[in-house]
Amino acid sequence: QTVVTQEPSFSVSPGGTVTLTCGLSSGSVSTTSYPSWYQQTPGEAPRALIYNTNIRSSGVPDRFSGSILGNKAALTITGAQAGDESDYYCVLCVNGDFRYVFGPGTKVTVL
Amino acid sequence: EVQLLESGGGLVQRGESLRLSCTASGFPLRSYAMSWVRQAPGKGLEWVSGIGDDGVITSYADSVKGRFTTSRDNSKNTLYLQMNSLRAEDTALYFCARTRHAIKAGYYFDYWGQGTLVTVSS
Repeated sequence: QTVVTQEPSFSVSPGGTVTLTCGLSSGSVSTTSYPSWYQQTPGEAPRALIYNTNIRSSGVPDRFSGSILGNKAALTITGAQAGDESDYYCVLCVNGDFRYVFGPGTKVTVL
Repeated sequence: EVQLLESGGGLVQRGESLRLSCTASGFPLRSYAMSWVRQAPGKGLEWVSGIGDDGVITSYADSVKGRFTTSRDNSKNTLYLQMNSLRAEDTALYFCARTRHAIKAGYYFDYWGQGTLVTVSS
């Protein structure tokens, strides 16, 4: 069973930088897991930010970037803004099959 | 403009069935894989099921396998989720999401509906 891990929460100052990570309880995340990232504010549908590790979805500002850091996928927000305060979810594609697993999400607070 | 509109949610008793629909507009449904993703109240997102563009390939999370069935009618631009033997833990907001599932296009959910709420009472 694939279990994805994320930090429960992060706090960042306005204008600051924060890096969220997405790992596996057993094993490493690599580009072949095709990690993607989603932003969700309360009461709204999720919005795609990053796919295939580091490709920004249409309309996503370049303040959001994706990468692999060590054995985890990472989402970095630079120049954090109040509007970035949201829950962030990573998703991994299991073995390239049509199966996806969400992480538990990271709540980002900007203050 | 790509739009996805879910419907069919409601309050049901444990063990009963429900069928959700997702009507797509602004793009040819027949050209895209689709997924259902749910979110229990106050909880995170969970991928539930996916279906290939022609409906031949379907896939399910272990938590719903054998109880839920995903299908599609491309002529009606509509995706379906048949949910049987519903349990209290199936209570959630159910989203449909357009799914890019190919090496060139990527593997992710690029557009989402607003969701339809399913409540299973015990």
